[in-house]
Amino acid sequence: SQKIEQNSEALNIQEGKTATLTCNYTNYSPAYLQWYRQDPGRGPVFLLLIRENEKEKRKERLKVTFDTTLKQSLFHITASQPADSATYLCALGTYKYIFGTGTRLKVLA
Amino acid sequence: DVKVTQSSRYLVKRTGEKVFLECVQDMDHENMFWYRQDPGLGLRLIYFSYDVKMKEKGDIPEGYSVSREKKERFSLILESASTNQTSMYLCASSFPGEGNQPQHFGDGTRLSIL
Repeated sequence: SQKIEQNSEALNIQEGKTATLTCNYTNYSPAYLQWYRQDPGRGPVFLLLIRENEKEKRKERLKVTFDTTLKQSLFHITASQPADSATYLCALGTYKYIFGTGTRLKVLA
Repeated sequence: DVKVTQSSRYLVKRTGEKVFLECVQDMDHENMFWYRQDPGLGLRLIYFSYDVKMKEKGDIPEGYSVSREKKERFSLILESASTNQTSMYLCASSFPGEGNQPQHFGDGTRLSIL
């Protein structure tokens, strides 16, 4: 069955460093991959979408890569700030979506 | 900005009760979704709807039903609530697409079944 894996352990990094989060998937060949941010007690908020024929996508301090050979996406936040602390979810899908369990990021001041 | 509004942030019900969770979106989205979110299990799709009166089962539809009588409103119904349905319920909406449309989420209803 289709499966998405994100590192369930929290990631703690120092302010100003680059945070890198990983999303791996199996038994699936998605055309699109999306990343969301979720704050405690709130619904996920869409951040970025990348297509299978795009290697990399950027938006301000965010960068996403999509390697369909490795079946992996990396999500980078450069010059991280304490306000970036949240849980980050990746999602794959066609007309419906499969979400990973998310990775909790904590940026330490 | 897209707004997806869920009728209650917190809800406490008793086992065996029929429970209604309501969701309204204001962006004329064709697609609407209901998920539940549990620690360690992530977001799991219960049902989705791609048009008025149209619905399709997600990954965990057992014990749930849905209703979409108007485009902007999507209701989740727990026919006879059980304790294992205690969870965070999230509603989302989007334009139709093949995975290339962002989903817009409400802030969730934390449902406790006693």
